[in-house]
Amino acid sequence: AQTVTQSQPEMSVQEAETVTLSCTYDTSESNYYLFWYKQPPSRQMILVIRQEAYKQQNATENRFSVNFQKAAKSFSLKISDSQLGDTAMYFCASVSGSARQLTFGSGTQLTVLP
Amino acid sequence: GAVVSQHPSWVICKSGTSVKIECRSLDFQATTMFWYRQFPKQSLMLMATSNEGSKATYEQGVEKDKFLINHASLTLSTLTVTSAHPEDSSFYICSATRGGGERSYNEQFFGPGTRLTVL
Repeated sequence: AQTVTQSQPEMSVQEAETVTLSCTYDTSESNYYLFWYKQPPSRQMILVIRQEAYKQQNATENRFSVNFQKAAKSFSLKISDSQLGDTAMYFCASVSGSARQLTFGSGTQLTVLP
Repeated sequence: GAVVSQHPSWVICKSGTSVKIECRSLDFQATTMFWYRQFPKQSLMLMATSNEGSKATYEQGVEKDKFLINHASLTLSTLTVTSAHPEDSSFYICSATRGGGERSYNEQFFGPGTRLTVL
């Protein structure tokens, strides 16, 4: 079974600053994928970034990047140049290659302050 | 591409009635669809996994006779909440994945959700 832990229920950041959201996971699978999803007030789940476990290079998507530490089972999300539209609940998630079900963390509510 | 719709976006019903929520993949064939339930400020809780043409697999603690799931085609799955009660009030989200087999990530494409209020 997979578990995903987000230890920061709430965070805030000033507009244009950088913030890092933490996530740790546990899995016995060798083939798995990690994701960060964003859920704004509209409640539509939006994929922010994904990381394949077999890739050592950290994934980046514009202002969003991850720090994937496989040995430590850590998968943090860094948001650079934070914007007001980044205000949302962020969920870390994992899925193993043998299954299709996502395992979600408890979420981190990020508020970007003007 | 990879758009998932849900209908209705919100529904209010009386206690004891049944409510059907539709989940459609608009531009791809979804071999697998998932149904989640989400309470305010909480994470998504997987209720069941459905594969086209077969019975849904329910998570532990989810009443299969209360939450009926039908995945009749590769683009449509329905969730029927039978004999709804106020405690069934929640936000229901569906997601869909394309056919697997290749070594690609199993990305789930999410619908916009349905808010159910049972009076």
